[in-house]
Amino acid sequence: DVKVTQSSRYLVKRTGEKVFLECVQDMDHENMFWYRQDPGLGLRLIYFSYDVKMKEKGDIPEGYSVSREKKERFSLILESASTNQTSMYLCATDLTGTGREKLFFGSGTQLSVL
Amino acid sequence: GENVEQHPSTLSVQEGDSAVIKCTYSDSASNYFPWYKQELGKRPQLIIDIRSNVGEKKDQRIAVTLNKTAKHFSLHITETQPEDSAVYFCAAHSKAAGNKLTFGGGTRVLVKP
Repeated sequence: DVKVTQSSRYLVKRTGEKVFLECVQDMDHENMFWYRQDPGLGLRLIYFSYDVKMKEKGDIPEGYSVSREKKERFSLILESASTNQTSMYLCATDLTGTGREKLFFGSGTQLSVL
Repeated sequence: GENVEQHPSTLSVQEGDSAVIKCTYSDSASNYFPWYKQELGKRPQLIIDIRSNVGEKKDQRIAVTLNKTAKHFSLHITETQPEDSAVYFCAAHSKAAGNKLTFGGGTRVLVKP
């Protein structure tokens, strides 16, 4: 079974802090994704990675960066957290391992920026 | 890029009735359309999908239909049960528009016993 683990379920940070959200998958999958979920806006793609050290911007990359030093780990970085980044963050990989269609999500991290 | 609109945003049905959620997409190159279900406090999970070379697909009480000409697709849930209460998301995938999934805004479905 695919397993996608996000390190924190809830996180509270202050405006201006640097925030790291961690995601680990155990299936040696190529593609990993970071989405944010906001009521009424659905899931919006922030960044994705198709290989180690490779990344592509999604639809809303502003204010975020990512890191993929190892294949199993994909980190989302908020360089200077702002209140409008309060959201649910979901990491995902593709069920097939190589595609970008059938996503399997982690449990999510609810981030509050005060 | 792709734009996916989903309606309604909330849907309340009586147990046993049918529920229908509709989505429209903008990119005619989109060719894969999945539906995700997210129960309260849980992760979104893929429940059914359809490709552009198929007009309809069924899996027990759920079905999806696709109208490529009109660029819309729908999720149908028959004989609704309380465990169908969740938020449902449609999505469209286009290899031409960044090779990624674009999601609709979600529909909160409440099945009243």
